[in-house]
Amino acid sequence: AQSVTQLGSHVSVSEGALVLLRCNYSSSVPPYLFWYVQYPNQGLQLLLKYTSAATLVKGINGFEAEFKKSETSFHLTKPSAHMSDAAEYFCAVRGAQGGFKTIFGAGTRLFVKA
Amino acid sequence: DTGVSQDPRHKITKRGQNVTFRCDPISEHNRLYWYRQTLGQGPEFLTYFQNEAQLEKSRLLSDRFSAERPKGSFSTLEIQRTEQGDSAMYLCASSQGWGSQETQYFGPGTRLLVL
Repeated sequence: AQSVTQLGSHVSVSEGALVLLRCNYSSSVPPYLFWYVQYPNQGLQLLLKYTSAATLVKGINGFEAEFKKSETSFHLTKPSAHMSDAAEYFCAVRGAQGGFKTIFGAGTRLFVKA
Repeated sequence: DTGVSQDPRHKITKRGQNVTFRCDPISEHNRLYWYRQTLGQGPEFLTYFQNEAQLEKSRLLSDRFSAERPKGSFSTLEIQRTEQGDSAMYLCASSQGWGSQETQYFGPGTRLLVL
């Protein structure tokens, strides 16, 4: 069975500092992996996705994530945090061998301090 | 492209009442998903449709929940005899394509409060 674990329900950084949000997955085969962002009272917006084409995936708003099979990780990073990055971030996994069910992590709320 | 829309955005109801939510997917998308999100949690898969066929349902979808997509376009999610535990955000998503090309696009959600 597939699962996703996001380490840290809350992360706080200063504006301009590195953002690192951690995600580990469990899957019997290399899956598709996603990062979504959710602003208050809104739906989820796709930041980036991993589909086995490249291990380093670049997304919108300056975010990127690296797929590390040996560590079963897909951590999200951004070199310099902006106040507008404050939101909830969700890592998600979907099996690459058929099926469309997507499993989401519990989320990490990012706070950005001025 | 107007994106995925959901109606209503908010719903307050009394325990025991029935509620129905609507989702309009992106027009060319053949797949439609329903998720439930409770406070402090990620979305939990409820069910999905390919065109008008409901292909998978979660164990979370009790017999009080029913979803339809009669013409393969919009979908409705009905909850009968609501309970306080049904209070949550109900998210709809749509997609098209296969394999790595498939990406789900989410609507703004319907927030349900059962008193």
